[in-house]
Amino acid sequence: QKEVEQNSGPLSVPEGAIASLNCTYSDRGSQSFFWYRQYSGKSPELIMFIYSNGDKEDGRFTAQLNKASQYVSLLIRDSQPSDSATYLCAGRSSGSARQLTFGSGTQLTVLP
Amino acid sequence: NAGVTQTPKFQVLKTGQSMTLQCAQDMNHNSMYWYRQDPGMGLRLIYYSASEGTTDKGEVPNGYNVSRLNKREFSLRLESAAPSQTSVYFCATTGTGINEQFFGPGTRLTVL
Repeated sequence: QKEVEQNSGPLSVPEGAIASLNCTYSDRGSQSFFWYRQYSGKSPELIMFIYSNGDKEDGRFTAQLNKASQYVSLLIRDSQPSDSATYLCAGRSSGSARQLTFGSGTQLTVLP
Repeated sequence: NAGVTQTPKFQVLKTGQSMTLQCAQDMNHNSMYWYRQDPGMGLRLIYYSASEGTTDKGEVPNGYNVSRLNKREFSLRLESAAPSQTSVYFCATTGTGINEQFFGPGTRLTVL
């Protein structure tokens, strides 16, 4: 079983709506979490990271972490067609040499 | 600064051929990683190097070898390519701090 699980989607939302991307993890020792965006044919790029329980906002993006439920989410407000991409959730596992464990990714399409 | 560079960008091999994928970074980072990405599988760690002179196996190391030539360069070698190694290969680096990984542009490898 993969340590980081994501709903592979695809997820479609209309332009201007809120897109909600979810991720669960099995390693209770995981300390920090990362959301990467990957456009088709391109490499992943970091959007946000979070390591404390609660919400973290950056522009239209909000990351949420609930360590008790082992749950991480990414909300994208006022979704734009340019947000259409695959979103990868990653966690830094406990005891690892700065390794990240990635989920399989959720494909998001924002419809104009 | 170029960040993380990878060569070649594309490669087609025949079964049994060998090749080396090159990765270089100018970010002065200690840790470097090789991933493969297959459809629906997310990013899977092949090998990593926590610092110059050290390398360790990741999740899917079989069929690969690596060399950390110096702090800047980390190469991945396929000694006898197999069709199952058809994939997109990404190199990544991370420094100190929040543990964000920076990715190279990727190498698309097809093994016939």
